[in-house]
Amino acid sequence: RKEVEQDPGPFNVPEGATVAFNCTYSNSASQSFFWYRQDCRKEPKLLMSVYSSGNEDGRFTAQLNRASQYISLLIRDSKLSDSATYLCVVCRGGNAGNMLTFGGGTRLMVKP
Amino acid sequence: DGGITQSPKYLFRKEGQNVTLSCEQNLNHDAMYWYRQDPGQGLRLIYYSQIVNDFQKGDIAEGYSVSREKKESFPLTVTSAQKNPTAFYLCASSIGAVNTGELFFGEGSRLTVL
Repeated sequence: RKEVEQDPGPFNVPEGATVAFNCTYSNSASQSFFWYRQDCRKEPKLLMSVYSSGNEDGRFTAQLNRASQYISLLIRDSKLSDSATYLCVVCRGGNAGNMLTFGGGTRLMVKP
Repeated sequence: DGGITQSPKYLFRKEGQNVTLSCEQNLNHDAMYWYRQDPGQGLRLIYYSQIVNDFQKGDIAEGYSVSREKKESFPLTVTSAQKNPTAFYLCASSIGAVNTGELFFGEGSRLTVL
């Protein structure tokens, strides 16, 4: 089983729709969690951290469920510009440089 | 503008040739990383360096080598020993410990071995 798993998609949604992605992780000792966004053939960029209590940034909401070992990303009122691949990232904790594990990404395509 | 610069963006090489990918940052970040991305897969860590003149192997270091002689620079050499070198290579940096989650990436180098 992969350490971080995501549905690769693509998720095809119309503009204005609400869409949610889940990401599961296998290491129960994981300490921090993040969503990155990657546009086609570009570098990933940090979208948001995921806090235990859940957090919101505009149209984006991230949730963490430690008991079931998954994190989610909800996008409301989808825009064409939201079309991208969303990478789930899990940190095992510690100060070494090899603590992050990336999921394979979920591709979102927002259609007019 | 502060950031990470990778070069070249696209590179074609014949099998059996070594190739060096450049990564330079002017963010004054201590830590630098090299990742490899293959279609449908997550980023995999090749090497990382948390301080000048020191670096550590990541999960897939075989067939690669790095150096960190200057804080700003972390070049990656893909050697002929790397069995499947065609991939998208991403260099990243972080201010300090990576457990803050924020990596700053360069635009990537796409290597194709013919």
